[in-house]
Amino acid sequence: AQSVTQLGSHVSVSEGALVLLRCNYSSSVPPYLFWYVQYPNQGLQLLLKYTSAATLVKGINGFEAEFKKSETSFHLTKPSAHMSDAAEYFCVILTGRRALTFGSGTRLQVQP
Amino acid sequence: GAGVSQTPSNKVTEKGKYVELRCDPISGHTALYWYRQSLGQGPEFLIYFQGTGAADDSGLPNDRFFAVRPEGSVSTLKIQRTERGDSAVYLCASSFSGLAGGTGELFFGEGSRLTVL
Repeated sequence: AQSVTQLGSHVSVSEGALVLLRCNYSSSVPPYLFWYVQYPNQGLQLLLKYTSAATLVKGINGFEAEFKKSETSFHLTKPSAHMSDAAEYFCVILTGRRALTFGSGTRLQVQP
Repeated sequence: GAGVSQTPSNKVTEKGKYVELRCDPISGHTALYWYRQSLGQGPEFLIYFQGTGAADDSGLPNDRFFAVRPEGSVSTLKIQRTERGDSAVYLCASSFSGLAGGTGELFFGEGSRLTVL
């Protein structure tokens, strides 16, 4: 079965600091991986996706993620946090051909 | 509409009652998904429609849960004999052609928060 594990339910950083949200996956086949973000009082939206074309994936709002097969990881990073980045972030894997399986989420707090 | 619309945004009901939650997807999207998000957890897959038919209902927790999409657009999630454990945010998402090939993106509504007292 395919699954993702997010390490850390809460992450707090200072404005301007590096953001690192960790995700490890488990899959017996080459995975399709995504990061989704949920801003307060808004619906989930796609941040970026990995579909095997390139291991370093760039997304919206300056976020990027690197697929590392040797580490079974797909960590999300942003060089400099902004207050508007405060949200809940979900690492997601495509399960079979029909549905997405979400991690438990990491809530990012950005301190001024 | 411009995005996925879900109604009601909030629903409070009593244990044992029947509830319907509605989802109006983005116009032209043939694929529609229902997810359930409990407090402190990520969304869990319930059911997937391609057009009018349920292509995968393996995530429905039991036979109290049922969903329809009679004309291939609006979908209704129906919950019979509600239980306190059904309390959650029910999310609807749509996409143009589904997730086949892993290139599809899901567009989510803001969800319907169900509270069963």
